[in-house]
Amino acid sequence: QSVLTQPPSVSAAPGQKVTISCSGSSSNIGNNYVSWYQQLPGTAPKLLIYENNKRPSGIPDRFSGSKSGTSATLGITGLQTGDEADYYCGTWDSSLSAPNWVFGGGTKLTVL
Amino acid sequence: QVQLQQWGAGLLKPSETLSLTCAVYGGSFSGYYWSWIRQPPGKGLEWIGEINHSGSTNYNPSLKSRVTISVDTSKNQFSLKLSSVTAADTAVYYCARRVKASTMVQGVPYYYYYMDVWGKGTTVTVSS
Repeated sequence: QSVLTQPPSVSAAPGQKVTISCSGSSSNIGNNYVSWYQQLPGTAPKLLIYENNKRPSGIPDRFSGSKSGTSATLGITGLQTGDEADYYCGTWDSSLSAPNWVFGGGTKLTVL
Repeated sequence: QVQLQQWGAGLLKPSETLSLTCAVYGGSFSGYYWSWIRQPPGKGLEWIGEINHSGSTNYNPSLKSRVTISVDTSKNQFSLKLSSVTAADTAVYYCARRVKASTMVQGVPYYYYYMDVWGKGTTVTVSS
């Protein structure tokens, strides 16, 4: 059971738009910035979004991020077959007992 | 371009100690936290813990009793030891760099974190 909740799967047709949600609490998303990671099959995760909505160099603007309260959202427009991957949200959890990093359970994107 | 190269034993028996090392090439070692993350077959990512160049650590509470992360600044390397492994510890283990940065919000600095560089992963199987 992950601390951050993501839908197990989403799907859409090529060229369409999809959003992936990430729900947490006040100790994590509510008071910290969110990052998103893309994991293509058989590869290591790759940073996609940081500071809620910033893209690293080389990440196309088809990918976007937002945060509101204790939830964050990853958006992908102009879907391509190469976007088929698992997507994870992550953030710091400022729990007083044991601050630590937490990930969502991951969302598998299928481009139909 | 920072690169992380990781290695370690890939096959262990139950009760043995998992040992992995990650070397940092092409960038600064200080100023970051260096993390270990694992991914069981067909499952999601689980953060194990992290260390900085000074040796300050943070651990996942669920694994803390079995985990030791250490650093060798002379070699720009950090290592993971996980004791008393079971089949549940079978996973791909990744090392990664965690960045700490800040932004000003209405004149107040807020810190944010993210993992920007990842190793390729090491598959560890625990089987009798």
